[in-house]
Amino acid sequence: DTAVSQTPKYLVTQMGNDKSIKCEQNLGHDTMYWYKQDSKKFLKIMFSYNNKELIINETVPNRFSPKSPDKAHLNLHINSLELGDSAVYFCASSQRGISGNTIYFGEGSWLTVV
Amino acid sequence: KQEVTQIPAALSVPEGENLVLNCSFTDSAIYNLQWFRQDPGKGLTSLLLIQSSQREQTSGRLNASLDKSSGRSTLYIAASQPGDSATYLCAASGGGADGLTFGKGTHLIIQP
Repeated sequence: DTAVSQTPKYLVTQMGNDKSIKCEQNLGHDTMYWYKQDSKKFLKIMFSYNNKELIINETVPNRFSPKSPDKAHLNLHINSLELGDSAVYFCASSQRGISGNTIYFGEGSWLTVV
Repeated sequence: KQEVTQIPAALSVPEGENLVLNCSFTDSAIYNLQWFRQDPGKGLTSLLLIQSSQREQTSGRLNASLDKSSGRSTLYIAASQPGDSATYLCAASGGGADGLTFGKGTHLIIQP
């Protein structure tokens, strides 16, 4: 069983479109995250949710809007896509924040904006 | 703000060698430090997590150490195998739901 699953795995879309990436975890974790890995392979946190509540919102454009319908799901919606949004987006989860627990990552969603 | 640096950026060694990957972090007030492996086109697999109160963790041929006072961690891989080829990422946690601060990784190639 996949612990953290995200869909779609690959997404190619045109500039200006709106797209969503879905994430689900079946680990019973309280905290979920979205990370972005850019073309230089550098991973950086975008958002963190704890029990459906936004904890971290790093400096990302407000075109990016996370939605957490329940603590097992954290979806990422992106409006008005730009070329620079092309990256790999990773969803992750952990129990009660990262302080003492392993963080589990999804397989990633490869977004290409053309 | 925490910064994590990994040296070397890339490493290529013959099969069977023991090797050490280095990670340094600027803020010693961490809750834990985690080592991950990333294969091309794949997500991240957690290898070892060292709590701030611990000095090292071992899993099979992997051993990770942590020296908070000097802001350093090392990942030791014994008897390397071609299947160990991947990018190894070090990440420091500030605690709570702050997430992880990642280094840029070490791209490791083990030559058969």
